[in-house]
Formats: sequence, structure tokens, C-alpha cells
Amino acid sequence: EDQVTQSPEALRLQEGESSSLNCSYTVSGLRGLFWYRQDPGKGPEFLFTLYSAGEEKEKERLKATLTKKESFLHITAPKPEDSATYLCAVSPPNDYKLSFGAGTTVTVRA
Amino acid sequence: EPEVTQTPSHQVTQMGQEVILRCVPISNHLYFYWYRQILGQKVEFLVSFYNNEISEKSEIFDDQFSVERPDGSNFTLKIRSTKLEDSAMYFCASSEGWGQPQHFGDGTRLSIL
Repeated sequence: EDQVTQSPEALRLQEGESSSLNCSYTVSGLRGLFWYRQDPGKGPEFLFTLYSAGEEKEKERLKATLTKKESFLHITAPKPEDSATYLCAVSPPNDYKLSFGAGTTVTVRA
Repeated sequence: EPEVTQTPSHQVTQMGQEVILRCVPISNHLYFYWYRQILGQKVEFLVSFYNNEISEKSEIFDDQFSVERPDGSNFTLKIRSTKLEDSAMYFCASSEGWGQPQHFGDGTRLSIL
């Protein structure tokens, strides 16, 4: 069963046009939710960890938030270099693994 | 900044052959993982390794797969008899502790002919 669902699958933005990506999860007793960025042909690059509902983390133009059912990744005034696939992953209780969503591919046009 | 390194970046192998993928995790990390990503699909967990033993494995990780930490720095994934469906990008990751962020290498692209 899918534990992590990301939407939309793809997002095309104009430079400076802010938007949000969604990650909804069904696992109960979440131990942690992780956001990664993946560039073509590269491995996932760690961005944020969120552990509890209400938590927020920021890094440059990115801000991640967490509720009991979902997480949002907000991209404020994006630049072309923010173009990438953004992956959400959850760490279920008592597990070592990360369960990944399918990702949202963001393309930012100058 | 410390990083996970993987070699080779691309491996081409005949079906039925054995292949070994190599990884050097971040030096102070204690937990090690292998994931794979078939083209166009999700990143999938294969196995985790801690304290010189497998701590968790997925259904994908059958008897054809094995992992080893042969020395203090390397972590390897062996596929004993490769199949066409093993073609994928294989990622190694490591973390400082349980539940801590996992840091990934840039992967080995495995192509089975």
C-alpha cells in the first residue's frame, strides 16, 4: 500500500512565482518526515527533517511544514536553479528504512 | 562537506554474472543502507546494516543479494546472478543514528544485458 503520495507530479513555474508541493502520508506513529532534492542522474540530496506536527524548517527559498496527515514544501520566489525533483520520504515507527513518494518535478523558467 | 561515494558510476554486466557495487559511507556514520531506483519509478529500500549485521531488508532483497562491510570504510552490495530486471540505479546511504537523516551517494547505474 502507498504510504506516501506527492502532488502534483510536475510543476512548471515562472521565475519568482511562488508555489507549494504536497506530501500526504498514511503511516501512523511517524518517526520522521524527510524532504530531499534530486537532480537528474544524481542521488537524493537531504534538505529537511520534520518530526512533529506544527514543526517548520527553512533553507533559502524553501520552507517545509508538517501536519498530522501531510507536509508542504513551499518555494518562495523560485529561481531556475531550484529546478529539480523534490522527494518526500517517511520513516515508519520501528523501521530503519525510508519510504519514498514518487516526487514532484519542478521546472522554473527564467 | 563529508559525502557518500559510490563506485563505479556505471556498470554493464551480462545476465547471470555476479556484480559488486561499492560504497564509502560518511566516516562517523553507523547505519548503512542500499536503495534502488528503476527508471521512472520511486526510490525503493533494499537493506539496512548496523553493527555488522542486517537490521532490516525488503522483499526485493532475496537470496541473490548480499551486503558486507569488509573493512572500516567500505560497504558493498553483491548481486550473485544478475537478471534483466536488476537494471536500475543503486544508491548507498548512511546515517549517524537511527531516525537521523540518511545521506545518499550519487549512485551506480547498473545495466544488465
